Amino acid sequence: GAVVSQHPSRVICKSGTSVKIECRSLDFQATTMFWYRQFPKQSLMLMATSNEGSKATYEQGVEKDKFLINHASLTLSTLTVTSAHPEDSSFYICSAQRSDGRAEQFFGPGTRLTVL
Amino acid sequence: QKEVEQNSGPLSVPEGAIASLNCTYSDRGSQSFFWYRQYSGKSPELIMFIYSNGDKEDGRFTAQLNKASQYVSLLIRDSQPSDSATYLCAVKGNMLTFGGGTRLMVKP
Repeated sequence: GAVVSQHPSRVICKSGTSVKIECRSLDFQATTMFWYRQFPKQSLMLMATSNEGSKATYEQGVEKDKFLINHASLTLSTLTVTSAHPEDSSFYICSAQRSDGRAEQFFGPGTRLTVL
Repeated sequence: QKEVEQNSGPLSVPEGAIASLNCTYSDRGSQSFFWYRQYSGKSPELIMFIYSNGDKEDGRFTAQLNKASQYVSLLIRDSQPSDSATYLCAVKGNMLTFGGGTRLMVKP
């Protein structure tokens, strides 16, 4: 158990377009999901915490109007990168925490975004 | 001071040796501790968790926790080239906080 999927796995888009990334917990319910960004050879950076049915909590320095998060159900959270620019090119990874209170997070396979 | 500290490495060990990865944390109230493995270009994968002081063994992996000294370590016995990856320590206090990771290289 504890499988998390992400879609798409890879996306290439033009500057100025918006990109939506989906994160799904396939075999468990996740009250809380997390969105991370990782640049090459750097560590994970938490962008925001997404709670089902409420507004996401963004980390300092992350623009909430640029990175729109929607956690509409216990198994789905989406991240939309609006008006993407080349500097937004990165590896975006979601993780999900089980609703039964266990602390570990399970990661999705990641989405590699390239903005031309 | 970072909340979760790891030596970035690379830590290089020969095949068959024991690899020892260390992590220190600052929040004394932390209750849960995790080790993730991340291969290059892939997302992290949970390999061990430990909640109590002492050792926890799972196959070739042993997690060690010392809450008094605020460190947690991961030992990998009989290291294999396929173990070459970045190992992330994560500590749960109010939230899960990741260290920067230690890059392990196992040389044949």
